[in-house]
Formats: sequence, C-alpha cells, structure tokens
Amino acid sequence: DAKTTQPPSMDCAEGRAANLPCNHSTISGNEYVYWYRQIHSQGPQYIIHGLKNNETNEMASLIITEDRKSSTLILPHATLRDTAVYYCIVSHSQGAQKLVFGQGTRLTINP
Amino acid sequence: NAGVTQTPKFQVLKTGQSMTLQCAQDMNHNSMYWYRQDPGMGLRLIYYSASEGTTDKGEVPNGYNVSRLNKREFSLRLESAAPSQTSVYFCASSHGTSGYNEQFFGPGTRLTVL
Repeated sequence: DAKTTQPPSMDCAEGRAANLPCNHSTISGNEYVYWYRQIHSQGPQYIIHGLKNNETNEMASLIITEDRKSSTLILPHATLRDTAVYYCIVSHSQGAQKLVFGQGTRLTINP
Repeated sequence: NAGVTQTPKFQVLKTGQSMTLQCAQDMNHNSMYWYRQDPGMGLRLIYYSASEGTTDKGEVPNGYNVSRLNKREFSLRLESAAPSQTSVYFCASSHGTSGYNEQFFGPGTRLTVL
C-alpha cells in the first residue's frame, strides 16, 4: 500500500475552514484516499474517501489533485469538537483492507 | 445498532498470563480486524479476517492468535503476555464491498502488562 505524508500538527480558529493536506505520490491507479479521525483516545472514525473526483459528505470535503499525488481534507466550519488526530490513508477499496495508519495530523481548533 | 463492541474495556495482566479480548459487530459485516495503538503512535494491524472462516496476519502478529468464531465475533488471544504488549487494542469491521468499505471501530481495550 502507498505511503502518505502529513504535517504533524495544525491549528485552526473555530468557525473557520480547516484544510488538512496529504501527500501520496506513490499511489497506484486502483487505490483510494481515505480519511479517518481519532478524537482523544476513542476508536478512529471514518470521514470520507475518494478515487479521483472531489467528494463531499455531511462531515467534510475531499479535494484530490488531477495527478492524484496529493489531497486536501476540508472541514468547512470547524468546531471545538473537530479537535482530533486526522489520518490520511491510501488503500484499495474492495475486500479486506490492511489500513496503514501513520502518525497523522493533530488538528487543534482554538476558540 | 450497537456497532462494534469490545470486552473488557480495561485489563491488567502479569507477565506470562493469558487472556482473550472479545469483539462483536451487529452490522452483518464480512471483514473484521484487530489493531493495536501504542502511546503517540498510529494504529498497527495485528490480524484480520476477510470473511467468516478465514484469518490472516497483519503487520505485527507475533505473540497473538485470533479466532473468527462466526460472522459476528472475532477474538484476539494473548497466550503469554509480555510488557511489550501493553497497548490499546481496537477491533474494527467493514462490509468488504467496493464503495462501502469503510471500517467501523470499537471503543478499545486498554491493556497493561506488568
């Protein structure tokens, strides 16, 4: 599975958009980009995933560059409850997935 | 739906003791997983089960065994616990079908081995 690179930490003001970058330059053609987050010491929570088109759901938007070598997770109106570690993971989307969690980005939302 | 449940929530063992961590899901998922998370680190895959009746090693399988008891339940066994196995253990499940394959995680079991 392709490896990802994320900044170790980021800060964002409450109510602003939080933009979390991820590099995945070795992604292969059939691999998707997945985002999960982990709030405090809870189990990780799925946020969104995409292949090559931009995706949006009730939690976030995912922007994938045309060459698919990087992506950005956007939380449009960050709240204090969005403070968490965010993981960008590249994986195929069928069958059992052996997810590789790096160290992620620790996002702190400030009041 | 309860989602993914894990028991126990906390456990303290002495070196050499054995124990089994239990995991169950009520989402009719095909695939189940066991991860461990050490302080300040990301999760690492221990074992997974792609479907009922199959199990495979993940990144860090040494010192563990698993059993996929039925479609709902996937247990993790430590035969002879070591201090290096002190960690938080997360169970997860997924449907296994393309497009609906996100993993759902349980609340975790916090294990300390003295």
